Amino acid sequence: KAGVTQTPRYLIKTRGQQVTLSCSPISGHRSVSWYQQTPGQGLQFLFEYFSETQRNKGNFPGRFSGRQFSNSRSEMNVSTLELGDSALYLCASSLAPGTRGPNEQFFGPGTRLTVL
Amino acid sequence: AQSVAQPEDQVNVAEGNPLTVKCTYSVSGNPYLFWYVQYPNRGLQFLLKYITGDNLVKGSYGFEAEFNKSQTSFHLKKPSALVSDSALYFCAVRDLTGTASKLTFGTGTRLQVTL
Repeated sequence: KAGVTQTPRYLIKTRGQQVTLSCSPISGHRSVSWYQQTPGQGLQFLFEYFSETQRNKGNFPGRFSGRQFSNSRSEMNVSTLELGDSALYLCASSLAPGTRGPNEQFFGPGTRLTVL
Repeated sequence: AQSVAQPEDQVNVAEGNPLTVKCTYSVSGNPYLFWYVQYPNRGLQFLLKYITGDNLVKGSYGFEAEFNKSQTSFHLKKPSALVSDSALYFCAVRDLTGTASKLTFGTGTRLQVTL
């Protein structure tokens, strides 16, 4: 079974530009979450999508947005990029929560975004 | 709000020796706890989880974790460390409300295993 794939793997942008990152979950997984990883702030939750609906959102400004398509693929968009947006953006997918609690999330390799 | 703490930035251990990476948690409801490992320039790999049941959870690559409710801890352990275990380890707690969920991660512990 193929794992979570993220494209592109690396991106270089300049301040003020916008960027779109893509994530394809494991087949059969309907929940997709996004995380930002930086040396200073560690791993921080951005948002979660389930059945094309945003179910949860972290503490990030409105410049960060996302969506999920009917095939469970997800995209996240960052507008008006700032230097501080440079980070590794990780996507994770999981099955819907089971009767015994949440299922583990499986992470993609990430997209390394550098803002100059 | 839920949180996890990893008190050690780095743990050093000799190959063949047992290792422990510490994690304590704070949640208001049932604790759903996870351990992940991250190798350089890679995403996170799932190691194990505690949902309910036995306090000793066995996971991938010979790792296990002990859930201790009274001490609110979920330490990661391995009886015999390998050099290839050197990586960044994250403890996480999953908040589950209906079908919405998010993982809150600790700050990570770098494990260095030497010959």
